[in-house]
Amino acid sequence: NAGVMQNPRHLVRRRGQEARLRCSPMKGHSHVYWYRQLPEEGLKFMVYLQKENIIDESGMPKERFSAEFPKEGPSILRIQQVVRGDSAAYFCATSSQSTDTQYFGPGTRLTVL
Amino acid sequence: DAKTTQPPSMDCAEGRAANLPCNHSTISGNEYVYWYRQIHSQGPQYIIHGLKNNETNEMASLIITEDRKSSTLILPHATLRDTAVYYCIVGQGAQKLVFGQGTRLTINP
Repeated sequence: NAGVMQNPRHLVRRRGQEARLRCSPMKGHSHVYWYRQLPEEGLKFMVYLQKENIIDESGMPKERFSAEFPKEGPSILRIQQVVRGDSAAYFCATSSQSTDTQYFGPGTRLTVL
Repeated sequence: DAKTTQPPSMDCAEGRAANLPCNHSTISGNEYVYWYRQIHSQGPQYIIHGLKNNETNEMASLIITEDRKSSTLILPHATLRDTAVYYCIVGQGAQKLVFGQGTRLTINP
């Protein structure tokens, strides 16, 4: 069974560019959660999505950040006009409807130059 | 804010049992206790979870007190690969996980 997949694993962007992070859930999982881990800090929840719906975006910054989980394809976390403070590890986790345990992907490490 | 309190660090000798405590005195009746660990900068790895009863799987055992205000994660025979930050989290399923600072467990040879 394939686990949660994230790509790219490493992403380098210059200030002002856009970053797109992808998360492919485990088979049978329809819930996606995004978390951010700043250097030397713990993980912070960002957003929770089900297929085509945002359920909880209470942890998302008000500007420049958006997330989607379309009917087909991976979930995407988009960061527009990146700044150096966006440099972090971004993890997604997924869960199924029947079991609620969240399983994490390997993360995308974003570096903003 | 995290609803759990854990010691910031612990040491354990290789081959011995590692017992990681967690306090969650404000846990609600329908909230589970989850344990994850993060090895270096990898994605958090699910270990085990429980509601009221003690639980055991191939990785660890979870002991929850009768009043559910605290729990202990037990790694029965710790190896060097168990060195990681261990997070105790309380919450309901399908909701956001609130991570605290966790316990940095170091397994010594």
